[in-house]
Amino acid sequence: DAMVIQNPRYQVTQFGKPVTLSCSQTLNHNVMYWYQQKSSQAPKLLFHYYDKDFNNEADTPDNFQSRRPNTSFCFLDIRSPGLGDAAMYLCATATGPGSNQPQHFGDGTRLSIL
Amino acid sequence: AQKITQTQPGMFVQEKEAVTLDCTYDTSDPSYGLFWYKQPSSGEMIFLIYQGSYDQQNATEGRYSLNFQKARKSANLVISASQLGDSAMYFCAMREGVTGGGNKLTFGTGTQLKVEL
Repeated sequence: DAMVIQNPRYQVTQFGKPVTLSCSQTLNHNVMYWYQQKSSQAPKLLFHYYDKDFNNEADTPDNFQSRRPNTSFCFLDIRSPGLGDAAMYLCATATGPGSNQPQHFGDGTRLSIL
Repeated sequence: AQKITQTQPGMFVQEKEAVTLDCTYDTSDPSYGLFWYKQPSSGEMIFLIYQGSYDQQNATEGRYSLNFQKARKSANLVISASQLGDSAMYFCAMREGVTGGGNKLTFGTGTQLKVEL
């Protein structure tokens, strides 16, 4: 089945130690998104790629970076994680602008900071 | 101002009963889409139903239906014949406009639904 896969499901890192979360998709969608979701809150969009075009949200901290080496893969890099970065990180994909097709989400990666 | 408002932080419903989860939205864009997602405690976001601003009829998907009242800017989710597996967080989300590359969603704060025996 076509899907969005996030690895790992659970990630533990140390305060200040760089960490990378990965997302892959078999849907061949143009757009890939990264969301941060803290406990009992709505998902918050960090950035997205439309094909190779990177779009950063205005309030996304510089500590968060992303790479999309090809259509299938997208990475979230946290350069120096702080305690406040502990959250669920959700990857999603979509076909493109103005579509009535939903965003398809992966199962998420729960990030803990020690 | 909040673009998506879900005023019910938590709801309880008896198994086999119907339940309505409220969602109101705010936009000046004539073209928009409204989505409902379910998020179980395991964390994945599951798409349930979609309503486009120009759709003439309310959307339905199995036990899910959307009560779309455009003039009131509301898009309430109705779950019929509730099941224990429906216990989850439910998010209403809106996509505005048809231009731009992002097809971005704005989420509400969610409603935690608990189905009881």
